[in-house]
Amino acid sequence: DIQMTQSPSSLSASVGDRVTITCRASQSISIYLNWYQHKAGKAPKLLIYAASSLQSGVPSRFSGSGSGTDFTLTISSLQPEDFATYYCQQSYSTPLYNFGQGTKLEIK
Amino acid sequence: EVQLVESGGGLVQPGGSLRLSCAASGFTFSSYEMNWVRQAPGKGLEWVSYISRSDNSTFYADSVKGRFTISRDNAKNSLYLQMNSLRAEDTAVYYCASTMVRGVFHWFDPWGQGTLVTVSS
Repeated sequence: DIQMTQSPSSLSASVGDRVTITCRASQSISIYLNWYQHKAGKAPKLLIYAASSLQSGVPSRFSGSGSGTDFTLTISSLQPEDFATYYCQQSYSTPLYNFGQGTKLEIK
Repeated sequence: EVQLVESGGGLVQPGGSLRLSCAASGFTFSSYEMNWVRQAPGKGLEWVSYISRSDNSTFYADSVKGRFTISRDNAKNSLYLQMNSLRAEDTAVYYCASTMVRGVFHWFDPWGQGTLVTVSS
């Protein structure tokens, strides 16, 4: 099985900050990597697919990069509504769609 | 409006059974592969199970293999998860999610709001 490891597990930041979250795969997954935002009590929301493609309707302050085993999600200027938990997901070994353990983004 | 609505969660004793349902609307359910994903309290998202469009292919996470069964009824636009031999560690919010495919890329969208399963005596 492909294991996905995110870092950090939690992060404190302020509105306006630039934030980067990292996801590492246990083997090369090319660009088969998705990012989701999850707020408590709500359905997870797709942000990025294919490592760097922005889902329709997602603000352009979100961006993704990487290939192979190392990936990043960047929020260029944090907004109050961005405080949530973020997950990466590999879609290389479909249909076994493993997630990273999540990164909780909190207000400083 | 594209929508997935889960139901069937509740409190069940260890060793018991529960059947979750997911009702789809606003899209052609039979054209999409489907999944169950769960989130235990204080934990992250865990992919649980997958089913193909025509119900002839299913996959499970090792943590539920042999105890859970995924199925679907395309005539009723519904997805199911039969959960047997439940354990305390199965306590979680269970989400259904549709697999979207664009070329060779897959992702989950939409997701339901989730249904809570609590396994406790």
